Amino acid sequence: KAGVTQTPRYLIKTRGQQVTLSCSPISGHRSVSWYQQTPGQGLQFLFEYFSETQRNKGNFPGRFSGRQFSNSRSEMNVSTLELGDSALYLCASSLGARGGSTDTQYFGPGTRLTVL
Amino acid sequence: AQKITQTQPGMFVQEKEAVTLDCTYDTSDPSYGLFWYKQPSSGEMIFLIYQGSYDQQNATEGRYSLNFQKARKSANLVISASQLGDSAMYFCAMREDNFGNEKLTFGTGTRLTIIP
Repeated sequence: KAGVTQTPRYLIKTRGQQVTLSCSPISGHRSVSWYQQTPGQGLQFLFEYFSETQRNKGNFPGRFSGRQFSNSRSEMNVSTLELGDSALYLCASSLGARGGSTDTQYFGPGTRLTVL
Repeated sequence: AQKITQTQPGMFVQEKEAVTLDCTYDTSDPSYGLFWYKQPSSGEMIFLIYQGSYDQQNATEGRYSLNFQKARKSANLVISASQLGDSAMYFCAMREDNFGNEKLTFGTGTRLTIIP
C-alpha cells in the first residue's frame, strides 16, 4: 500500500507571497492532519480534516487554511507569508476514528518551506 | 503544562547495545493512546509503536518495545540491539479520547546517535 505523499518536497518563497501544499493520504484513510515543525517551537498541530470538513484546529492565524477533497486529498494554504513561516510542514493520514486514542497517524515526507 | 516530557535531549549509544528513551505524560483522560515516532535527517516521521491506556501488556514491534508504567505516567521506548540506522530523532506523542480535539501532542524529542 502506498504511503502518504506530499508535494512539493521543497519550496522557496518570498515574504508576502502565498503557497499551497498538497497531501495525498494512504488509500482508505479519511482523516488528514497538518503539522508545522520548527527548531524553536517543535511540532505544532495546525488542523485536521475528515470527510471534507475541518474537525479540529490548532492555534494558528487565519493566514493558514486548508481543505479536503472528496478523494481525501488535502491542501494547505498559507497567505501573506512571513519569515517565521519557514518550517517543515508535515501531513499525516489516519482512518479517523472519533476520539483519537486508537487512531494511528502515518506521516508523509514533509514539505520544507523557506521564506526569504 | 507540558503534556509530554522527554528529558533526554541527546543520547550516544554504542552499536549493538540496548537503549531506553524516556517519556512521561500528563493527562486526566482515562482513555488515551501513546505513540513513538522516529524522524531521520530526511524529515519523514516514521511510526514505530503504539500503546493504548487500557492495554494490559506492553507493546512490542520487532526490536522496539514500550515500557508502559501507567501509575507513573511513563511510556519509555526500548530499542534492543541498536544499529547505525537507528540514529535519528525520536518523538513520544499522545492522543487523548477527546471529541473535537483529537490532535497528536508531541514531546520535544530525543536525538539518538549510535556509535560504531
